[in-house]
Order: sequence, then C-alpha cells, then structure tokens
Amino acid sequence: GENVEQHPSTLSVQEGDSAVIKCTYSDSASNYFPWYKQELGKRPQLIIDIRSNVGEKKDQRIAVTLNKTAKHFSLHITETQPEDSAVYFCAASIRRDDKIIFGKGTRLHILP
Amino acid sequence: KAGVTQTPRYLIKTRGQQVTLSCSPISGHRSVSWYQQTPGQGLQFLFEYFSETQRNKGNFPGRFSGRQFSNSRSEMNVSTLELGDSALYLCASSLVLAVTSNEQFFGPGTRLTVL
Repeated sequence: GENVEQHPSTLSVQEGDSAVIKCTYSDSASNYFPWYKQELGKRPQLIIDIRSNVGEKKDQRIAVTLNKTAKHFSLHITETQPEDSAVYFCAASIRRDDKIIFGKGTRLHILP
Repeated sequence: KAGVTQTPRYLIKTRGQQVTLSCSPISGHRSVSWYQQTPGQGLQFLFEYFSETQRNKGNFPGRFSGRQFSNSRSEMNVSTLELGDSALYLCASSLVLAVTSNEQFFGPGTRLTVL
C-alpha cells in the first residue's frame, strides 16, 4: 500500500544548531504535505504544510522543501530552541484513496 | 471556538471486551478522522467519516468500526479487544475531507489500556 517513510526516528541537536527531518512518499499523485508537532502529553498540531505546486515554504525558523521528482520532502528548523523538543510527524495525501498517511515520527531533542 | 473533544480520556478494559470512544469535532467541521498512536508506529490511520459516511479506511481488522451522527460527532468501536489494541486513540476534525482541508485539528486522545 501507499507509504510515508520518515527519518531519523530520533534526532539530538545542540541548541542553536539546525535540525533536518526527511520523509519520502510513494504515491506520485500526492499533492499535500503537512507537518505536525506533538509535544509531550499534548495533541499533534500543524506547524507548516506545502502543496505540490511549490518547492519551498518558510515560516520564521521553520521551512519545508519538496522534491516531487525524488518524492521526498524535508522539514528544516534553524536556530533550535528548547521548546522545539517534541515529536514531529510528516504526512502525505494519498489521492487515490483520498486520505492522509502519516510517517512514524521523529523525536527531536534539543540539547542545552 | 471550542476545540475537538474526546471522551473518555482514559479506559481500562480486559481482553475480549468491547469499547466505544467518542469524538466531538469543532463546530462546523464535517469530517472526523481516527488514528491509533503507539510508540514506534506513529499515527496509523483508522478511518475517516464525512457527512455520516465512511469515506476511506486504513489497514485495520473489522473489529474496528465507527460511525458519524448528523451533528458530526463520531464514535469508534473496537470489539473483542486484544492486548495489542492498547494505544492512544486520536480523532481529528476538519472542515471538509482531510485531503482537501488546510488543517486537521486533533483531540486530546483516549488512552486505552487492555489487560
């Protein structure tokens, strides 16, 4: 079936450094790619998303890039801060089934 | 505007029992999706309901079922519970189908423990 692979599963970054999380998808017709952040004990919340008609989108310290040819997209967090510690989920729309599939998540630790 | 609510927040059941979880979406939202969250498996899609109809489903056995009412509230039922069903069950609401909405809004989840 359709799949979204997310790497790495765990990432530790020194505070102030950048963090990059990568996802690949299998459905070439996918056209919507959201990223959700889930802090410990809380519900997932949308932090940024991108549609297939653009290659990059930025919102302050976070950015998402999309490579449709390679079928992968990435989340970039610059100048990381302690409050960035959380689990991040990528997702992709599966057009054939009209549903959104999530990756398994990346646990990001920001080290002091 | 009130957020997505789920009841109950915690449940403890034994193997073989059945359970019903409830989700109330944001007012005006017509779609409710259900996810199972377990450590290492992320958010696994169960099904999505829109206008009282199941629009799509994930790869879960028939023991997992759901429904949606005319006020968009949704329930999820799991019959013949197994130990592996222990998980956090999240629902998410969106204005229209999740694939065409800009955002899904998640509830706080129901933590189900099967003993």
